[in-house]
Amino acid sequence: DQQVKQNSPSLSVQEGRISILNCDYTNSMFDYFLWYKKYPAEGPTFLISISSIKDKNEDGRFTVFLNKSAKHLSLHIVPSQPGDSAVYFCAASAYRGGYQKVTFGTGTKLQVIP
Amino acid sequence: KAGVTQTPRYLIKTRGQQVTLSCSPISGHRSVSWYQQTPGQGLQFLFEYFSETQRNKGNFPGRFSGRQFSNSRSEMNVSTLELGDSALYLCASSLELAALYNEQFFGPGTRLTVL
Repeated sequence: DQQVKQNSPSLSVQEGRISILNCDYTNSMFDYFLWYKKYPAEGPTFLISISSIKDKNEDGRFTVFLNKSAKHLSLHIVPSQPGDSAVYFCAASAYRGGYQKVTFGTGTKLQVIP
Repeated sequence: KAGVTQTPRYLIKTRGQQVTLSCSPISGHRSVSWYQQTPGQGLQFLFEYFSETQRNKGNFPGRFSGRQFSNSRSEMNVSTLELGDSALYLCASSLELAALYNEQFFGPGTRLTVL
């Protein structure tokens, strides 16, 4: 039961253009969402997050949008740079069974072409 | 401040064997979570330890177990290894319980190959 889905396993974008990574979720109890970036041979690193009470959060070139009615999350990178090439995971957090639990998506591999 | 460290980085085992992986969290972090990463399944949550107690558990069989020591270091054990256990095992630490709106800091992972 994949509650957090990243339906695009890969994405290629020209340098300088916008990269849009998408994430869908099924559990309406999720109340906090995060994006992580992962380079080969390294662990994921936190990128940006958003609470369910907001619909947008911006940090430099990175903006996360949340559409609760559609249960959809997206990460925009503008402008895209070759160093952004990595696997991006979205994650969602919910309170369940007395504890908060984090569920990760399967990841989207972004390639930014110089 | 040193990051999350995991040992060993690479491991090759055969079916039926058991393995123990180690994780040292960032100094001061009390929560350690373990994840399994495979190409088709992405990051899957195994379990989380906080103050030496397992606080959260994912949907993995009992062959997967763990523990946390008083210095917050954690070990994960997999018994009776199966081919499908081949994966990258990631450890993540956070100040408090992982999903309480705290960022998790990941280690580089241990690449386990089961032959």
